[in-house]
Amino acid sequence: AQSVSQHNHHVILSEAASLELGCNYSYGGTVNLFWYVQYPGQHLQLLLKYFSGDPLVKGIKGFEAEFIKSKFSFNLRKPSVQWSDTAEYFCAVTANTGGFKTIFGAGTRLFVKA
Amino acid sequence: GAGVSQSPRYKVAKRGQDVALRCDPISGHVSLFWYQQALGQGPEFLTYFQNEAQLDKSGLPSDRFFAERPEGSVSTLKIQRTQQEDSAVYLCASSLPDRVAAKNIQYFGAGTRLSVL
Repeated sequence: AQSVSQHNHHVILSEAASLELGCNYSYGGTVNLFWYVQYPGQHLQLLLKYFSGDPLVKGIKGFEAEFIKSKFSFNLRKPSVQWSDTAEYFCAVTANTGGFKTIFGAGTRLFVKA
Repeated sequence: GAGVSQSPRYKVAKRGQDVALRCDPISGHVSLFWYQQALGQGPEFLTYFQNEAQLDKSGLPSDRFFAERPEGSVSTLKIQRTQQEDSAVYLCASSLPDRVAAKNIQYFGAGTRLSVL
């Protein structure tokens, strides 16, 4: 069965620090990968996605993620975080042969200290 | 509407009571998803509709859970004889379907927080 593992449940950083959130998935076939973000008091929204092509994808607000197929990973990065990046981040995967089901990780709560 | 709308935002139910949760998707979105999100967890897939057709209900945890979308727009998730373990946030998402279903980019509602006492 597909699963998604996010390594850190809580991360605390100071402003301007670099961010990397880990995400690993288990599925042997072709996958589509997503990072969703939920800011305090707001809905879940798409941050970035990877379907195919360049494994380094860029999203909104300076975020990027790198797909490493050999490691089954899709880590999220940002070189310099801001207080406004405080949110919960979810990695998600769908399989092209898996129909409609999206599998989410448990989420990582990021708190950025001003 | 401008976004996915869910109602009620909060629901408190006594154990054994039936509840109905409503989702109003973005206008024109033919795909609709329901998720259950327990405290401290990510959303867990429940079911998927394309227009009025329920194409995947593999995530529904028991036969107490039932979802419908009779006219291909508004959807209702019904939970019969609620149990304490049903306490969670129920999220609805809608999307325009990609040619490949797995590439759907989903737009989420605010969710309904269900507490079963």
